[in-house]
Amino acid sequence: AQSVTQLGSHVSVSEGALVLLRCNYSSSVPPYLFWYVQYPNQGLQLLLKYTSAATLVKGINGFEAEFKKSETSFHLTKPSAHMSDAAEYFCAVSGARGYQKVTFGTGTKLQVIP
Amino acid sequence: DTEVTQTPKHLVMGMTNKKSLKCEQHMGHRAMYWYKQKAKKPPELMFVYSYEKLSINESVPSRFSPECPNSSLLNLHLHALQPEDSALYLCASSQENLPSSVLTFGAGSRLTVL
Repeated sequence: AQSVTQLGSHVSVSEGALVLLRCNYSSSVPPYLFWYVQYPNQGLQLLLKYTSAATLVKGINGFEAEFKKSETSFHLTKPSAHMSDAAEYFCAVSGARGYQKVTFGTGTKLQVIP
Repeated sequence: DTEVTQTPKHLVMGMTNKKSLKCEQHMGHRAMYWYKQKAKKPPELMFVYSYEKLSINESVPSRFSPECPNSSLLNLHLHALQPEDSALYLCASSQENLPSSVLTFGAGSRLTVL
């Protein structure tokens, strides 16, 4: 079985402030972990992906995430928020059952305040 | 070409209508997916095609009928839908149907059933 929990359905930050979006996972096998972003009226776009090569993963648009096995976490961070970062962010896990079935978290809507 | 193209962008249909959603990719991906996304919810997997064969059906009602005419095209045929089927329908593709695969999503078709 596999699942992800995203803490906080809404997060608000000021422009220029640190962005921290939380994700905890549960998986019976070493997982593949993803962060996807969805802008209004668009599909999802990959931000970054963890595949066990390195615990700190750098993605697009200045985002990065750190895999912590002891905490079963994969939190997404960005040092300085930009207005264009306002979107819905989904953490996702795959790897159980041996096929590509991605389980998405419930999403966190990021609001950036000018 | 790194896009997944979905048509139409918007569709309104009555409960007795028959309509189709179309999805196209030219990235050489061999796995294609249909997801359903309700407002403020994560995407839910409906169907997976791998090498043009249906490999996963997530117990979707028969009023939704997928079709994969070739490796670049994926259709979703709709018939006798219910108002609760109104949602954003997302098509995605990946190189293979593997746990490590990255999904490339289209912008979606927003369906309203009257």
